[in-house]
Amino acid sequence: SQKIEQNSEALNIQEGKTATLTCNYTNYSPAYLQWYRQDPGRGPVFLLLIRENEKEKRKERLKVTFDTTLKQSLFHITASQPADSATYLCALNSGGYQKVTFGIGTKLQVIP
Amino acid sequence: SQTIHQWPATLVQPVGSPLSLECTVEGTSNPNLYWYRQAAGRGLQLLFYSVGIGQISSEVPQNLSASRPQDRQFILSSKKLLLSDSGFYLCAWSVGEQYFGPGTRLTVT
Repeated sequence: SQKIEQNSEALNIQEGKTATLTCNYTNYSPAYLQWYRQDPGRGPVFLLLIRENEKEKRKERLKVTFDTTLKQSLFHITASQPADSATYLCALNSGGYQKVTFGIGTKLQVIP
Repeated sequence: SQTIHQWPATLVQPVGSPLSLECTVEGTSNPNLYWYRQAAGRGLQLLFYSVGIGQISSEVPQNLSASRPQDRQFILSSKKLLLSDSGFYLCAWSVGEQYFGPGTRLTVT
């Protein structure tokens, strides 16, 4: 069966360190993978999209890698800040370009 | 710029009552539109998506339905709510990445 796995346990990290979140998937062949941030009681906010032919993408303090052989994406936040505390969701297209499936998310807590 | 509206923000409905949630998008044409539900402590569950007027794809069999009467309007409905319909309902539009509305918190009592 198709699965998107994110570490559902919370990740606690010291301010200033690099946070690394993992997204693994099985039985998908996505054309792209996306990362979103969700704060409590709010809708997810789009952060980054990476295509299957891209290995890495960066935006300010964010970096995403995409390994289609390992079927894994890593999401890095460098110089983490308490304001980065949120739940981070990965998502990939499935069953066509229009349909998107989300992982359950990883809750990140940056400790001052 | 594009804006997505959802209403109401919160809703408390008794079991067996009908439901209508509305979503509208401004600033874009012919968007792909989506309805998701997020139960407490759970991930986003795709309920319906639409690539055009009158075109609805249903992902999960349940007592909900969706309609797209206009290009930028997406409606989620139910004739009779169940307790299990409680959750956070999110509408989104997409041109690749997805942009979400503020959501509706539905509590079925």
